[in-house]
Amino acid sequence: DAGVTQSPTHLIKTRGQQVTLRCSPISGHKSVSWYQQVLGQGPQFIFQYYEKEERGRGNFPDRFSARQFPNYSSELNVNALLLGDSALYLCASSLAPLSGGNTEAFFGQGTRLTVV
Amino acid sequence: AQKVTQAQTEISVVEKEDVTLDCVYETRDTTYYLFWYKQPPSGELVFLIRRNSFDEQNEISGRYSWNFQKSTSSFNFTITASQVVDSAVYFCAPDAGNNRKLIWGLGTSLAVNP
Repeated sequence: DAGVTQSPTHLIKTRGQQVTLRCSPISGHKSVSWYQQVLGQGPQFIFQYYEKEERGRGNFPDRFSARQFPNYSSELNVNALLLGDSALYLCASSLAPLSGGNTEAFFGQGTRLTVV
Repeated sequence: AQKVTQAQTEISVVEKEDVTLDCVYETRDTTYYLFWYKQPPSGELVFLIRRNSFDEQNEISGRYSWNFQKSTSSFNFTITASQVVDSAVYFCAPDAGNNRKLIWGLGTSLAVNP
């Protein structure tokens, strides 16, 4: 069974550019969450989607946006990239929204974004 | 506001030693869940365990065990007979807030040497 897949694995962008990261959840999972992990720190929550609707948003600027498609895959978009956006972006897949601890999340290997 | 503290930034042990990773979760919530994740050098976060705040019974699963004490807000994780493959960063992640999102500690980097 395929786990959570993210693409691309590595990406280098220039300041001011836009980037799209992609995530395919585990088959049967309807919820996708996105996290940003800066080197040496824990992941920070960006978005959670369930059944194509946004269910949660972290403390990130409007330059960050996401969507979920009918097949439950998801894209994370970041506009007007800054050097500080350089990080590992992790996608988490779960059966249902992470609610009350009733489900655990399975993470992809991440996309390492470097902004130069 | 909730706060997660993993006081140990780095731990180095020799293979077969037992190692305990500390986590303190401060919250006013009475109901919550606590997760431990492992992040090997590949970057992928691997789910290890989940406990709820109702149950303070300590459990053992294979080489893993955990000690949850609600009175002290501590949720410690122990690896028995550590192996080199256990080398990774370990994160304590409570489930908190209206969004029920995971919040993360800074992680503890564990190095198990042969």
